[in-house]
Amino acid sequence: KAGVTQTPRYLIKTRGQQVTLSCSPISGHRSVSWYQQTPGQGLQFLFEYFSETQRNKGNFPGRFSGRQFSNSRSEMNVSTLELGDSALYLCASSLDRGPGNTIYFGEGSWLTVV
Amino acid sequence: AQKITQTQPGMFVQEKEAVTLDCTYDTSDQSYGLFWYKQPSSGEMIFLIYQGSYDEQNATEGRYSLNFQKARKSANLVISASQLGDSAMYFCAMREGAGGTSYGKLTFGQGTILTVHP
Repeated sequence: KAGVTQTPRYLIKTRGQQVTLSCSPISGHRSVSWYQQTPGQGLQFLFEYFSETQRNKGNFPGRFSGRQFSNSRSEMNVSTLELGDSALYLCASSLDRGPGNTIYFGEGSWLTVV
Repeated sequence: AQKITQTQPGMFVQEKEAVTLDCTYDTSDQSYGLFWYKQPSSGEMIFLIYQGSYDEQNATEGRYSLNFQKARKSANLVISASQLGDSAMYFCAMREGAGGTSYGKLTFGQGTILTVHP
């Protein structure tokens, strides 16, 4: 059974550009969430999608957005990139939203903004 | 308020010995799940073990066990017979039920860096 797949794995962008990251959850998983990890802030929740609807959102500016498609695949977009957006972006999926559902992560997308 | 607290920034252990990584949590929700993840330098977050708030038995998965003390709100990870490949960052995380503010998402601690010496 394939795990959570994230693309691209590594990317370098210039300030002011925008970036789109993609995530394919484990087959059958309907909840997809995104996290940002930086050395200074640790792991921070970005947003969660379930059945194509955003159910929860972290404390990030509107430049960060996402969506989920009918096949549960998800994308997140960051517009007008800033140096501080350099981070590891992790996508995770689970069968459902409840606390008894294990959340599995992808390998992450390393974003560097120069 | 910090929901997940890992008080050990770094831990050292000799190969083949056991080590305990501490985690305390804070929630008023009765239904929640506690998770431990391992993150090697490659960045991937690897699921290790899960404990539900209503589980009466401590969870075990191979060399990993979770020492769950509900009244103390602690969920310590015990790694037995440490191996060199266990060297990594370890995160404790919580997911609350529908009555909690973190329903549907994970709240993480700051992590503990474990170094296994040969």
